[in-house]
Amino acid sequence: DVKVTQSSRYLVKRTGEKVFLECVQDMDHENMFWYRQDPGLGLRLIYFSYDVKMKEKGDIPEGYSVSREKKERFSLILESASTNQTSMYLCASSSGTGWGEQYFGPGTRLTVT
Amino acid sequence: DQQVKQNSPSLSVQEGRISILNCDYTNSMFDYFLWYKKYPAEGPTFLISISSIKDKNEDGRFTVFLNKSAKHLSLHIVPSQPGDSAVYFCAASRGTGTASKLTFGTGTRLQVTL
Repeated sequence: DVKVTQSSRYLVKRTGEKVFLECVQDMDHENMFWYRQDPGLGLRLIYFSYDVKMKEKGDIPEGYSVSREKKERFSLILESASTNQTSMYLCASSSGTGWGEQYFGPGTRLTVT
Repeated sequence: DQQVKQNSPSLSVQEGRISILNCDYTNSMFDYFLWYKKYPAEGPTFLISISSIKDKNEDGRFTVFLNKSAKHLSLHIVPSQPGDSAVYFCAASRGTGTASKLTFGTGTRLQVTL
């Protein structure tokens, strides 16, 4: 059974804090993705990675960075959290071949106060 | 610039009837389309897909139709069941492998009533 896990389901942080969201997949997938989901805006791509130590900006990378030191792990970093980063964060992975079907983790609901 | 659009934020259908969810796209380079289903507090799960060389794909109660000339796809659920109540996202991609980044629509919330 394919699995993508995220380190926390719920997280509350203060404005200005550095926040780490971790994602691990066990499918040996090459590609990994970070999205945020907001009401009325759907899923928006923050960053993605198609190989270890490689990263590409998505549609809304501002205020975020990522790290991929191992194939199975992809971290999203909020350098200085702000209230407008309160959102549901979703991690996904996909194979490096094929049509790009992505498998998602359960999400992390981040609240920045 | 929203390249994938779902113009109906919500839809209510009676149990046993057909649910039709619609999606429009603007980028003619998209060649693969997917539907995802999302329950609250869970990640989206893949439902069904279609490549641009086809105009229809069926999987049980779910059928996706693609009209390339109109840049439109739709998901039909027949018969609708209460467990189908969820948010449905359509997504599109260009190319395969490392090029296969998905662009998602804004979602349609389906409510199947008894």
